[in-house]
Amino acid sequence: DSGVTQTPKHLITATGQRVTLRCSPRSGDLSVYWYQQSLDQGLQFLIQYYNGEERAKGNILERFSAQQFPDLHSELNLSSLELGDSALYFCASSVDPRGAGELFFGEGSRLTVL
Amino acid sequence: LAKTTQPISMDSYEGQEVNITCSHNNIATNDYITWYQQFPSQGPRFIIQGYKTKVTNEVASLFIPADRKSSTLSLPRVSLSDTAVYYCLVGDGGGKLIFGQGTELSVKP
Repeated sequence: DSGVTQTPKHLITATGQRVTLRCSPRSGDLSVYWYQQSLDQGLQFLIQYYNGEERAKGNILERFSAQQFPDLHSELNLSSLELGDSALYFCASSVDPRGAGELFFGEGSRLTVL
Repeated sequence: LAKTTQPISMDSYEGQEVNITCSHNNIATNDYITWYQQFPSQGPRFIIQGYKTKVTNEVASLFIPADRKSSTLSLPRVSLSDTAVYYCLVGDGGGKLIFGQGTELSVKP
């Protein structure tokens, strides 16, 4: 158990819909990262937050948005869903925002868009 | 933007040492190099991290040459349970932690 909690574990929805994925980081970790992993693909960096502020942005689509709340949990919002958005979405947390130290990953939220 | 390159796949046999090399030509001065292991449908797990020279822990060693443009993960005496995808991760200096495409290691009996 990494200490990072992601909900929901599985989600099935239709094209055009909107979903919200939630992540609770490890206790004490201020930095949260979101990654997307499509079938048989690598991990694509989406976005990073540190203590409530956006710190780094990767290949995140405009239809996607994220935020980190004062209690440090984070949400990833995916809208106008397309078939290609079907993927595993991982959240990770860390103490150090620069990448020094370990990233602790959750078990992921598997999104299926039909 | 730091880009990493790893072999797509490797095969090994139980009890052998496995070395996986990652190229990261544009690594920034302050970036660390980290390796993760991932099993299907699970989140990646930390294996080892280094900045330069050699680092060893209870499961692996990490070799980083002086120019830091590559790194090699060494897994001693692999077992069937080491069959997984191994990712090299470097920061790009701007906070983006970019994973390589991963190396699928298959350990055979």
